[in-house]
Order: sequence, then C-alpha cells, then structure tokens
Amino acid sequence: GQNIDQPTEMTATEGAIVQINCTYQTSGFNGLFWYQQHAGEAPTFLSYNVLDGLEEKGRFSSFLSRSKGYSYLLLKELQMKDSASYLCAVPFTGGFKTIFGAGTRLFVKA
Amino acid sequence: DSGVTQTPKHLITATGQRVTLRCSPRSGDLSVYWYQQSLDQGLQFLIHYYNGEERAKGNILERFSAQQFPDLHSELNLSSLELGDSALYFCASSSTGEVGNTIYFGEGSWLTVV
Repeated sequence: GQNIDQPTEMTATEGAIVQINCTYQTSGFNGLFWYQQHAGEAPTFLSYNVLDGLEEKGRFSSFLSRSKGYSYLLLKELQMKDSASYLCAVPFTGGFKTIFGAGTRLFVKA
Repeated sequence: DSGVTQTPKHLITATGQRVTLRCSPRSGDLSVYWYQQSLDQGLQFLIHYYNGEERAKGNILERFSAQQFPDLHSELNLSSLELGDSALYFCASSSTGEVGNTIYFGEGSWLTVV
C-alpha cells in the first residue's frame, strides 16, 4: 500500500532546532522528497534522499533510513519565515506517481 | 519562480459548470502532474502525463479529465462542478518523470464553486 505519516502540527522557538518526522510504507522504494509550502503558495523543493544517511543543505538537513521506512527533516537556527507546512513525498509506481503526506504545519514563535 | 505557468490564477464559477485549467511546464520538461489541494488538506495526486501519454492516475473523479498536447502544455478539465470541487489546483512538471526527478510546482489555480 501507499501510506505516509507525519505529525499534523509542531511549534518551535526562533533560533531553536526542530525535527519533523515522516514514516512511509511502500513496496518499492524510489527515494523520498521534502517540500516546503507556505499557506496558499506553491510547494518548493527542499531535498531528495535515496540512500541512507544525512544530507545537509545549509540550515536544513534530511535523514533517511530505508530499513525503518523513516525520514526526518531537521531545521536549525529557526527563523520566523520558516513557519510553513513541510511535506514529505514518496514516488510510487516506478516514480510516476508521487504521493505527498498531509504535511506538518510548523509554527515558529518569537 | 519555478518556470511552471498556470492559468487562470483565480476563477469563480457556479455548480454544474465546466472549467479548463491550463499549464505550461518548465522549458524542456516532458512530464506534467496535476494535484488538488482543498482547504487545509494535503496535496492529492490526480494524474501524470509524460510526453503526451498518461503515465499514472490517482483518485481523479470521472468528471475530471486531462490531456497533454504535442507542445507539452496540459489542460485539466473539470465538469459538472460541485461545491466540494473548490480547491487550489496545482500543476507541476519534471524533466522525464523518472525516479529521482524533482517535481516543480506552478503557483496554482484557485477554483471557487458557488
């Protein structure tokens, strides 16, 4: 089946670190994407992981464990502008059908 | 700016009507995807086209149809509209639609059915 789970909401403080988790179930793994979406705007690409481990890109890092069906997005030095929804997405059907999780709404407070 | 262009940006129409949403993918991209996002809901995959051919289908209603033309632009046709069809419709594109290709989203078309 195709199942992607993320927490619905998280709150963190400006300057802090937050970890957003994503678990997935898929019969054939083709990588995992993270996107950021501000309300009413287009999702924008953050990262793509296909191998186990941590990939760092500035303040954002993404981790993948294929054996556990688990990924997380790590946001460091949080800024107010990081308040957004973070979407985990998994390509199914050989990559032709990318399914998005419901997203985690992150609130960054001062 | 992702390079994916969608028109119209906003439209309001009545129940029972039909509308067409248009999408131009990024230059060089062969794959086009359509997603629906209702208020406070996640992105629901509708359909994927690659170089004019349908590649994958999601939970797309029978009242909805799509196509991709030889110039690679795509249209999503929504007919017999219901109030529940009010949503933000995103078009996205990727280079080949193969594994690992990043999907780039347009700004979306806001549809309000009254």
